[in-house]
Amino acid sequence: DAKTTQPTSMDCAEGRAANLPCNHSTISGNEYVYWYRQIHSQGPQYIIHGLKNNETNEMASLIITEDRKSSTLILPHATLRDTAVYYCIVRFSGSARQLTFGSGTQLTVLP
Amino acid sequence: GAVVSQHPSRVICKSGTSVKIECRSLDFQATTMFWYRQFPKQSLMLMATSNEGSKATYEQGVEKDKFLINHASLTLSTLTVTSAHPEDSSFYICSATQVGTGFNEQYFGPGTRLTVT
Repeated sequence: DAKTTQPTSMDCAEGRAANLPCNHSTISGNEYVYWYRQIHSQGPQYIIHGLKNNETNEMASLIITEDRKSSTLILPHATLRDTAVYYCIVRFSGSARQLTFGSGTQLTVLP
Repeated sequence: GAVVSQHPSRVICKSGTSVKIECRSLDFQATTMFWYRQFPKQSLMLMATSNEGSKATYEQGVEKDKFLINHASLTLSTLTVTSAHPEDSSFYICSATQVGTGFNEQYFGPGTRLTVT
């Protein structure tokens, strides 16, 4: 699975959009970009995933650049409950493989 | 959405004893379950991959005789930490992959905090 690079930490004001970047310059054509988050002392929570096109669900939007070498997770209106470590993971789909977690980005939403 | 539970959520045991942690998929069948371990301020590290009805596959450096994994049904996997030592104190998290979906999203349990005294 391709390696990802994320900033160690970010702050965001409550109610504003949180934009979390991820670099995955070695991504291959069949690899998907997944985002998970982990609130302190809880198990990781799936957020969203995508291959090429931008994706949106009730939690977030995922913007993938045209060359697929980077992506941005957008939380449109961050709340205090969105404070968590956010993991960007690149992996193949279609087979049951483990997720390889990097160090992620600690997002702190400030009141 | 798919729900994975773990039991217990928190356990304290004495050094030398064994502890069993259960991981259940509540509303779906999981052919594959994964066990992760997370030390304070670190990321999740995969310990083993568990497939229903077969032996678990352990990651390098994880002792299979110390961390016994059983995946007897499509909804239950157990991790037994045998002869626990203080260095086994950690946050243990399981995840399950849903059968029959194209993307094989993993759904995580809430984790089990193990403290060995």
